[in-house]
Amino acid sequence: TQLLEQSPQFLSIQEGENLTVYCNSSSVFSSLQWYRQEPGEGPVLLVTVVTGGEVKKLKRLTFQFGDARKDSSLHITAAQPGDTGLYLCAGEHGSARQLTFGSGTQLTVLP
Amino acid sequence: DVKVTQSSRYLVKRTGEKVFLECVQDMDHENMFWYRQDPGLGLRLIYFSYDVKMKEKGDIPEGYSVSREKKERFSLILESASTNQTSMYLCASTWTGGHQPQHFGDGTRLSIL
Repeated sequence: TQLLEQSPQFLSIQEGENLTVYCNSSSVFSSLQWYRQEPGEGPVLLVTVVTGGEVKKLKRLTFQFGDARKDSSLHITAAQPGDTGLYLCAGEHGSARQLTFGSGTQLTVLP
Repeated sequence: DVKVTQSSRYLVKRTGEKVFLECVQDMDHENMFWYRQDPGLGLRLIYFSYDVKMKEKGDIPEGYSVSREKKERFSLILESASTNQTSMYLCASTWTGGHQPQHFGDGTRLSIL
């Protein structure tokens, strides 16, 4: 069974602060996907990183895939209240593109 | 846009009942998945299917079964519901090729009394 450890579980910060969320595993994944989930809705993909060492930017969000494709991070610069939500990392593996999810990071950005 | 539709948003059932959760996708995806989501545990894979009538156990299949008679529909069955199956259930689908995202339904919040 693949495991993906995500930290921190909860994060409450002031508007304008920076933050980083981490996902770590001992397993190698074919890709690492980051999702965001709003209350009452299913997760929605933010980004997919595929190559070891890859960095992708989505406005104020920066995603990085570790060189060995076992870990990833999400960095948010100058967080805004609209960034509030549950962030989930997921490692892709298997022929059916199964995902193993981290436990999630509940982010609250206070105005 | 991809649409994954789960038949119920909220469901309340009694211990011992047989419960059916239905999921339909409209994008001709080969792969479909059922997860349960519990606070602090993220999403855990129950079962998945990569083709009609094909199914594979995920990480927590005990107490569940699935059915995929048509490509667009994937059903999750709780054979004899128990209180520890109270949870949010999420269905997802995706194509086989490439590093495609999974597209999720909005979930069914199931309470077993």
